[in-house]
Amino acid sequence: NAGVTQTPKFQVLKTGQSMTLQCAQDMNHEYMSWYRQDPGMGLRLIHYSVGAGITDQGEVPNGYNVSRSTTEDFPLRLLSAAPSQTSVYFCASSYQGQGRTEAFFGQGTRLTVV
Amino acid sequence: AQSVTQLDSHVSVSEGTPVLLRCNYSSSYSPSLFWYVQHPNKGLQLLLKYTSAATLVKGINGFEAEFKKSETSFHLTKPSAHMSDAAEYFCVVSDTGNNRKLIWGLGTSLAVNP
Repeated sequence: NAGVTQTPKFQVLKTGQSMTLQCAQDMNHEYMSWYRQDPGMGLRLIHYSVGAGITDQGEVPNGYNVSRSTTEDFPLRLLSAAPSQTSVYFCASSYQGQGRTEAFFGQGTRLTVV
Repeated sequence: AQSVTQLDSHVSVSEGTPVLLRCNYSSSYSPSLFWYVQHPNKGLQLLLKYTSAATLVKGINGFEAEFKKSETSFHLTKPSAHMSDAAEYFCVVSDTGNNRKLIWGLGTSLAVNP
């Protein structure tokens, strides 16, 4: 199994550009989420989804959009990149139903906005 | 509200000596608790998890943690540190309520000296 796959691994954007970070999982997990990791701040939840067609905001949603058209995919869109969005982004998935959530993470996307 | 506090931002030990990384949590529900490890420029890997079974949990690479409800603690230990243990460690709580979001500590950076 591939687990959780994120692309790209590295990206440099200019301020104002848009892009989509891709995330796919092959474990049939219903719950998927996006985090950003910044030095000294741990992981902060951006958006999450509890199933196809259902998304909700996390702790730091501003500047990001998500959609969940299939169980497998959960892309994160930056509509107009800002330097404050320079960060490492992690996608995670987990099994919903047991109530005891173990998250599986992708390898991360290191994004730099200049 | 749920929260996690990692009591030390940095811990430094000598190779072969014990490791103790401290974590306290606050939760309104019966919590699930996790420790994740992140090696430099890598993704996140689950070390161990507590899900209301045995209070002493054994994980990978010789790590273990004990759930102490009376102290609301979930400290991570290892009897003998190895150079390869140098990494960032995150304590995480997931409640059965609130859409099973993960609440992350800010991390503890473990340095292992030869």
